[in-house]
Amino acid sequence: DTAVSQTPKYLVTQMGNDKSIKCEQNLGHDTMYWYKQDSKKFLKIMFSYNNKELIINETVPNRFSPKSPDKAHLNLHINSLELGDSAVYFCASGGARTETYEQYFGPGTRLTVT
Amino acid sequence: KQEVTQIPAALSVPEGENLVLNCSFTDSAIYNLQWFRQDPGKGLTSLLLIQSSQREQTSGRLNASLDKSSGRSTLYIAASQPGDSATYLCAVQAGANSKLTFGKGITLSVRP
Repeated sequence: DTAVSQTPKYLVTQMGNDKSIKCEQNLGHDTMYWYKQDSKKFLKIMFSYNNKELIINETVPNRFSPKSPDKAHLNLHINSLELGDSAVYFCASGGARTETYEQYFGPGTRLTVT
Repeated sequence: KQEVTQIPAALSVPEGENLVLNCSFTDSAIYNLQWFRQDPGKGLTSLLLIQSSQREQTSGRLNASLDKSSGRSTLYIAASQPGDSATYLCAVQAGANSKLTFGKGITLSVRP
């Protein structure tokens, strides 16, 4: 009965590779987000999709490409990985199921680029 | 541009103490404010959400208050326990589907 799930949990890869992180939510929410938590533990928004449409893109390098095949899924593809991409990436969902638009977070994907 | 500040960055208290964690934000035009807990190496657990029209929310030993006009929120933890040790993050949301803007968190250590 996991609400927001992400795969993989850990990802170790070399510079220059391309990788994807998948996210799924079973809460019936219409909005999904990707956040990045850097080495100093600061969390910052990257992207947001509402009903499969991109609504937030916070000056993220175009090596990062989100894709939302349907309302329940938001995947993140990263091309040409760099050392600075090492971080924890969190997926979240929120939406009109409740009027509060509370956001629920997945367990995170720890990406290490060597 | 919204900025969220949490001071101090770290706090250590003896078990049983009542404590207050502070959060301030620069733009009072918020839709809601959420408090999260993050354990080391883990994800974020939502503790409390206060809508802009509310003054406080309570859950068990936790009470969060909101003073939107002054740009402040506090998270009150009663009778702290070692299991409360974690990082507590405050985040504000400007609109219904908008992003959360986070503070840098307060790392709490409750000593037995």
